Amino acid sequence: QQQVKQSPQSLIVQKGGIPIINCAYENTAFDYFPWYQQFPGKGPALLIAIRPDVSEKKEGRFTISFNKSAKQFSLHIMDSQPGDSATYFCAAKGNTGFQKLVFGTGTRLLVSP
Amino acid sequence: DVKVTQSSRYLVKRTGEKVFLECVQDMDHENMFWYRQDPGLGLRLIYFSYDVKMKEKGDIPEGYSVSREKKERFSLILESASTNQTSMYLCASRRTGGRTQYFGPGTRLTVL
Repeated sequence: QQQVKQSPQSLIVQKGGIPIINCAYENTAFDYFPWYQQFPGKGPALLIAIRPDVSEKKEGRFTISFNKSAKQFSLHIMDSQPGDSATYFCAAKGNTGFQKLVFGTGTRLLVSP
Repeated sequence: DVKVTQSSRYLVKRTGEKVFLECVQDMDHENMFWYRQDPGLGLRLIYFSYDVKMKEKGDIPEGYSVSREKKERFSLILESASTNQTSMYLCASRRTGGRTQYFGPGTRLTVL
C-alpha cells in the first residue's frame, strides 16, 4: 500500500514531442505528489508538485495531471527539448507519522534532436 | 540556496571493509535521509533522522547503520561492505513541515 508504481521505465521521443510518464498509488493518505528530475551525475531535484485537491498544475512546459478517483497522476512535458533528457521520479508523501516520501522506480527519458 | 554535500563522488572499497559516507547540509533542516539508487528499483530509503541522535529505519536498513551527532551532519556506515552494496547513495534533507526534499549529488560506491 506504500508503493508508487511508475511507467514506463524508459522513453524516447523526438524533439517537440510530448512524453507522458504515469504513476499510480494505493494509499489514500498520500497528500502531496512531487516529481523529481535527475540529470546524470546529479542528485534529484524537485521539478513540480501537486496536491490532491486540484486536477492539473502547469509550470512552464511541465504539467501534472491528477486523477484522484483513479489514484493516478502523470507528468507531461510539452515541446520537449534535448535538455529535458533526464531520469524522472514521481513520489508521494503521507500526512501522518514521519511523512516520508515514497518514490516510483524512475523513467529514463531521452529526447532526440 | 540549500546545499547538501556528500564527502565523496566515487568510492571503491573491498569486501569486508568498514565504509563511512558523510553528508552535510547547510540549511538547518531537522530531517535527513539516506537512499540508495539502483536501476529499475528507484530510490529506496535506508535510514532517516528527524533530530540529532534520533534515527529511524527505512525500507532497506539491513547491513547499514547511521550516526547523527550534529544537526547538519548525517553519516551512513557499512559495517562490513559486501558486493551487493555496490550502488549510488544519495543523501537528502528536509525541514520539518516542509514539502521539498533536497538531495546531494550522490556517492557511487563500488565494493570489490
